[in-house]
Amino acid sequence: DGGITQSPKYLFRKEGQNVTLSCEQNLNHDAMYWYRQDPGQGLRLIYYSQIVNDFQKGDIAEGYSVSREKKESFPLTVTSAQKNPTAFYLCASSRGVYTEAFFGQGTRLTVV
Amino acid sequence: DQQVKQNSPSLSVQEGRISILNCDYTNSMFDYFLWYKKYPAEGPTFLISISSIKDKNEDGRFTVFLNKSAKHLSLHIVPSQPGDSAVYFCAASGDGNAGKSTFGDGTTLTVKP
Repeated sequence: DGGITQSPKYLFRKEGQNVTLSCEQNLNHDAMYWYRQDPGQGLRLIYYSQIVNDFQKGDIAEGYSVSREKKESFPLTVTSAQKNPTAFYLCASSRGVYTEAFFGQGTRLTVV
Repeated sequence: DQQVKQNSPSLSVQEGRISILNCDYTNSMFDYFLWYKKYPAEGPTFLISISSIKDKNEDGRFTVFLNKSAKHLSLHIVPSQPGDSAVYFCAASGDGNAGKSTFGDGTTLTVKP
């Protein structure tokens, strides 16, 4: 079955450590996205990539970094510069304009 | 300033009745609107969308209405079922790119048997 796989589902890290969240898709979509969700709030766009080897900052990119070396993969690194990293992180992809986004199951990151 | 607002944090309806979820937006450049359904600790799943050239789109029990002059859209679910209980997010984008959407804060729908 085609879809988006995020791993791990739960992640714990100590404050000051960088952590990388994995996102893989087998939908053959060109565009991929990372969102963050905090309790009681909507999703906020962190980074997006429309094509391999290219990516753009979203609304809340500070403290995050990404890479897009393969069409299938769009990992997100939460750096120590991110002031409030504890959140639910969602990866998505889409096949083009005026079509919906497909989301992964999310990774809940807790920094202690 | 929040560009997409869902002013009702929660809604409770009886099974079989209509559920109406509302969404307001401020950015007149938005031209593509989507509704997603989400369960806790899971990713959102797409329900229905509408582009700004339309004012209504139907898919089974789900209908989305768009009022561009009022910058308002609504999702109607008829008839409501207990399995519809979830958080519903309204999302809007300005260039048809659903992945770059601005999301509302969500409305929690509870359908009582």
